[in-house]
Amino acid sequence: GNSVTQMEGPVTLSEEAFLTINCTYTATGYPSLFWYVQYPGEGLQLLLKATKADDKGSNKGFEATYRKETTSFHLEKGSVQVSDSAVYFCALSDNQSNTGNQFYFGTGTSLTVIP
Amino acid sequence: NAGVMQNPRHLVRRRGQEARLRCSPMKGHSHVYWYRQLPEEGLKFMVYLQKENIIDESGMPKERFSAEFPKEGPSILRIQQVVRGDSAAYFCASSPQGNEQFFGPGTRLTVL
Repeated sequence: GNSVTQMEGPVTLSEEAFLTINCTYTATGYPSLFWYVQYPGEGLQLLLKATKADDKGSNKGFEATYRKETTSFHLEKGSVQVSDSAVYFCALSDNQSNTGNQFYFGTGTSLTVIP
Repeated sequence: NAGVMQNPRHLVRRRGQEARLRCSPMKGHSHVYWYRQLPEEGLKFMVYLQKENIIDESGMPKERFSAEFPKEGPSILRIQQVVRGDSAAYFCASSPQGNEQFFGPGTRLTVL
């Protein structure tokens, strides 16, 4: 079956520190992979995505590379800011159009960046 | 193009009442998904709908919960006879072709 496992939080970093949030997946086909971000009191916003192996998604200084050999999609940022404090969700889309491209979400990792 | 709209943003119900949550997808999107987020937990898939059809309701509780997406108007998630355990944030997402999902701001349901 399909599932996503991501690093448990909470994570607390100082401003300008390096960030890694681990995400691994299991999938039966050729999934697309996503990172979503949720700010307090808001819905989820797409942060970045990758649709095939070795693709790198990037946005706002965040990056993640689709690694099929390790079934991973780790999120990284070289220098975090206080404004990056949020909950980050790794997600997988199974790309099975006959069943509606079901999405599977990790449990979320809470990040707090302190000045 | 307006984003996914959900209303109300906050809903308070007493035990035994009905809760109706509305979701208007983005223009041109015919796929709607509902998720529930319990406090301190991740998103749990509930149901996937296309216009007038339920495609996958494997995440819906068997009783008290129902969803629809009529030909005209928003998608509705209905919870009958609410209990305290139904208190959660309910998120709707829409998609143009069932690939990338765009989320609404959520409805936060509190059951007293």
